[in-house]
Amino acid sequence: EAGVTQFPSHSVIEKGQTVTLRCDPISGHDNLYWYRRVMGKEIKFLLHFVKESKQDESGMPNNRFLAERTGGTYSTLKVQPAELEDSGVYFCASSQDPNTMDGGTEAFFGQGTRLTVV
Amino acid sequence: EDQVTQSPEALRLQEGESSSLNCSYTVSGLRGLFWYRQDPGKGPEFLFTLYSAGEEKEKERLKATLTKKESFLHITAPKPEDSATYLCAVQARGQGNLIFGKGTKLSVKP
Repeated sequence: EAGVTQFPSHSVIEKGQTVTLRCDPISGHDNLYWYRRVMGKEIKFLLHFVKESKQDESGMPNNRFLAERTGGTYSTLKVQPAELEDSGVYFCASSQDPNTMDGGTEAFFGQGTRLTVV
Repeated sequence: EDQVTQSPEALRLQEGESSSLNCSYTVSGLRGLFWYRQDPGKGPEFLFTLYSAGEEKEKERLKATLTKKESFLHITAPKPEDSATYLCAVQARGQGNLIFGKGTKLSVKP
């Protein structure tokens, strides 16, 4: 079974340009998450989709970031215009629906997209 | 505020030298605590989920334990291939996202 796939693996863009990251989750996983790790910091949550709907976007840093999930399948994260502080590694993760009991459900991560804004 | 603190930041062991990594957390109702392993240039790889205090899980040389305030990842007789960054994360009740610590970078020398 294919895991979570992210494209591209690396991207170097100039300040002010636009970049679009893509994530293909594990087939059948309704939950899709975007996270980011900037240098020296912990991995931080950006947003959470359940199918095609945004469940929680409280971690999105500002309105230069736009995430979409077409038809509840793959997701894109667009940064427009990019700023220097947007540099970091962007991870996508997916998980199955949590069960009805009080238990979490593990999220499986992609390999990440390393974004460098110069 | 929900928070995860991992210690130490880095740990160097000789092959066969057992040790433990610590993850302290504060969360408004714990749904689950997760351990991940991350190799350079790769995404976090799932290891364990713990749901309640007193729970333990094992996988090969790794054993994870959980109390109401912290979790330990015990590594018994580590091998060089266990070298990686180990990440701890919590999930709060009613939330889907994970709150991560900064990780512990483990190096095991032959």
